[in-house]
Amino acid sequence: DSGVTQTPKHLITATGQRVTLRCSPRSGDLSVYWYQQSLDQGLQFLIHYYNGEERAKGNILERFSAQQFPDLHSELNLSSLELGDSALYFCASSAYRGVGEKLFFGSGTQLSVL
Amino acid sequence: SQQGEEDPQALSIQEGENATMNCSYKTSINNLQWYRQNSGRGLVHLILIRSNEREKHSGRLRVTLDTSKKSSSLLITASRAADTASYFCATFKAAGNKLTFGGGTRVLVKP
Repeated sequence: DSGVTQTPKHLITATGQRVTLRCSPRSGDLSVYWYQQSLDQGLQFLIHYYNGEERAKGNILERFSAQQFPDLHSELNLSSLELGDSALYFCASSAYRGVGEKLFFGSGTQLSVL
Repeated sequence: SQQGEEDPQALSIQEGENATMNCSYKTSINNLQWYRQNSGRGLVHLILIRSNEREKHSGRLRVTLDTSKKSSSLLITASRAADTASYFCATFKAAGNKLTFGGGTRVLVKP
């Protein structure tokens, strides 16, 4: 158990809908990262927050947004969903502001857009 | 685009044999990390090697880094069925503050 909690584990929704994925980092970790994993794109970095502030953005679509709350949990919002958004979404945490140290991953949210 | 590319994409070995996989990358890095992913599960960090290091060991794992060739290798010795998983290398560049994952190597260890 990595100590990173992601909910829900599975999500099935329809095109055009909006969903929210939630992540609770390990106790004491200030950094939260979101990654998307799909068969065709592999593991893609989406966004990184440190102590409530956005630190880095990757290949995150404009339809996607994220935030980190004062209690350090984070939410990834996906809107106007398309079939191609179906993927495994991972949250990871670390104690550091920079991402140069190891990350602890949650077990992911499997999103299926039908 | 992915910074690290693993080779081979898939590997099948017998229990007790060694498994070697390679990772190549394109630009200079600050460190390189290896992660394991069991089917459909989260990634687990295995080992981190910094750009000024050439070799690191952790249990049955041995990682090498050749910055002149921009490549790294992960060796799993005396493999076990429980080592069956996908293995990913990830490269970190301080500029940009991003950890970028490769496509992974799927390893099957047959009992």
